[in-house]
Amino acid sequence: EAQVTQNPRYLITVTGKKLTVTCSQNMNHEYMSWYRQDPGLGLRQIYYSMNVEVTDKGDVPEGYKVSRKEKRNFPLILESPSPNQTSLYFCASSLNGIGAKNIQYFGAGTRLSVL
Amino acid sequence: GEDVEQSLFLSVREGDSSVINCTYTDSSSTYLYWYKQEPGAGLQLLTYIFSNMDMKQDQRLTVLLNKKDKHLSLRIADTQTGDSAIYFCAGGGSQGNLIFGKGTKLSVKP
Repeated sequence: EAQVTQNPRYLITVTGKKLTVTCSQNMNHEYMSWYRQDPGLGLRQIYYSMNVEVTDKGDVPEGYKVSRKEKRNFPLILESPSPNQTSLYFCASSLNGIGAKNIQYFGAGTRLSVL
Repeated sequence: GEDVEQSLFLSVREGDSSVINCTYTDSSSTYLYWYKQEPGAGLQLLTYIFSNMDMKQDQRLTVLLNKKDKHLSLRIADTQTGDSAIYFCAGGGSQGNLIFGKGTKLSVKP
């Protein structure tokens, strides 16, 4: 089954404790992206990757890191989480970021609380 | 850059039609999309429309595109309680990404 898998689904942590949210897709997609969703602000893009070893900042990259060593995986790293990073995070992938039909497939989300 | 605007809330009665509206600023998007987010879940593609089309119908869903006014709408006929969700309009950004509106929360009352 074609899917985007995020782990964990729920995470409670404390300020300053490094964490990683994993994302994996099994569709051989080139493009992957991380979003955060906050009430009243909708979806905002954190980072995206057009292909392996190519990553770029989205609209709200501060406090986050990503890597794309393999095509299928795109982990989101919070080196020193802060309470303002409490949010719902989504990973998404699409066949090709630049193209006529850019249908993105989303993971189920990771709800992060930073105390 | 691209900006996508939509109203935040819509409430309808079961059996009525729902119309969710969206306006966008960048007319270069080749496709425009509607995504649906059910409670506790990720976003799922609902439908999309090619930019040179005015209308697309898919069962209970009708998408209307007015390129002159940069206005996109989603009509859901015979709205059911299972249609209660957040609906996001999205267009293509310059980096190959999608720019999403803030989402319209549709509440369907029995």
